[in-house]
Amino acid sequence: AQSVTQLDSQVPVFEEAPVELRCNYSSSVSVYLFWYVQYPNQGLQLLLKYLSGSTLVESINGFEAEFNKSQTSFHLRKPSVHISDTAEYFCAVATGFQKLVFGTGTRLLVSP
Amino acid sequence: GAGVSQSPSNKVTEKGKDVELRCDPISGHTALYWYRQSLGQGLEFLIYFQGNSAPDKSGLPSDRFSAERTGGSVSTLTIQRTQQEDSAVYLCASSKGQGRNEKLFFGSGTQLSVL
Repeated sequence: AQSVTQLDSQVPVFEEAPVELRCNYSSSVSVYLFWYVQYPNQGLQLLLKYLSGSTLVESINGFEAEFNKSQTSFHLRKPSVHISDTAEYFCAVATGFQKLVFGTGTRLLVSP
Repeated sequence: GAGVSQSPSNKVTEKGKDVELRCDPISGHTALYWYRQSLGQGLEFLIYFQGNSAPDKSGLPSDRFSAERTGGSVSTLTIQRTQQEDSAVYLCASSKGQGRNEKLFFGSGTQLSVL
């Protein structure tokens, strides 16, 4: 069975600082990896996904994540965060059909 | 509709009562999912529908939980004899079809509080 670990429940950073949100997964088969974001008072939205091909994937708002098979990781990074990036970020893994297994989430708190 | 709609947005109930949570998926989306988000927990998969059938019910935590989907559209999640541990945000999501390429669209959830 797949599982996802997000070790950091909360990550406080200052605006314009870089950030990395960690995600590790376990699975015995090929996986597909996702990051979803939940802004305050909004529903979950897909941020980016890795299905195959290039191991580095990017979102339209400057986030990127790199699939590392040897380390079973899919960490999310952004070189310079904005106040508006304050949200909860969920890493998820799927095999076969889209039954997503989610991590416990990391709350990113960006302050001025 | 424009997005996945869930109702009610908040539900407070007494222990032992039954509750029904409703999900209206995006029009034309054949796949529908229910997840539960508890404090300090990740999103827990409950059940998945493809059309009106539920090929995967593996996440339902007990036989007090059931779900149905009619007309390939609206779904209802029913919790009988609610317990305090059922308190959580219940999220519904839909996608165009089945498969890893399909993006899930989530509703805003129903916050269930069992007193």
